[in-house]
Amino acid sequence: RKEVEQDPGPFNVPEGATVAFNCTYSNSASQSFFWYRQDCRKEPKLLMSVYSSGNEDGRFTAQLNRASQYISLLIRDSKLSDSATYLCVAPGGYNKLIFGAGTRLAVHP
Amino acid sequence: EAEVAQSPRYKITEKSQAVAFWCDPISGHATLYWYRQILGQGPELLVQFQDESVVDDSQLPKDRFSAERLKGVDSTLKIQPAELGDSAMYLCASSFGQGVDEKLFFGSGTQLSVL
Repeated sequence: RKEVEQDPGPFNVPEGATVAFNCTYSNSASQSFFWYRQDCRKEPKLLMSVYSSGNEDGRFTAQLNRASQYISLLIRDSKLSDSATYLCVAPGGYNKLIFGAGTRLAVHP
Repeated sequence: EAEVAQSPRYKITEKSQAVAFWCDPISGHATLYWYRQILGQGPELLVQFQDESVVDDSQLPKDRFSAERLKGVDSTLKIQPAELGDSAMYLCASSFGQGVDEKLFFGSGTQLSVL
């Protein structure tokens, strides 16, 4: 099993839709989680941290489910500009951050 | 806004040649990372520096890759000789500290094509 796993998608949604991605992690001791956004052939950029109490930033909400070892990202009122790949990040073995392979989102008019 | 500087942006080379990438982290960031990202995959850590010291190079193919950060500021990643399988995006990132709760700031990357 991979240390961090994501559904590669693509998730094709219309503008205004609500979409959610999950990401599972294997290291039960993990405490810090992140979502990064990556546009095609660009660098990843931090979208948001994921706290145990959840985190909300505008249209974006991140949640942590420790019992089932996954984190989620919810995007409300999707915009065309939200089209990107969303990378999940969690600590793996040896205290190293592990990136998932990403979930691709395509928002269409 | 401070940025991580990387160069070159693109590099095309023939196999068996040597290539080098340069990175200048955000001022004040003690930790510097080199990642490799193959198309369709997430970034994979190659090497992590804390100031001038290597903290983790367990995934660095040391027979052909080398990395240095001599003065604890900018860094160079070298591949010699390059192989076809090295074609990828090479990303440099920096963070203020070295814990797993640190936010990473990435440079724009070097897209390497080995022919």
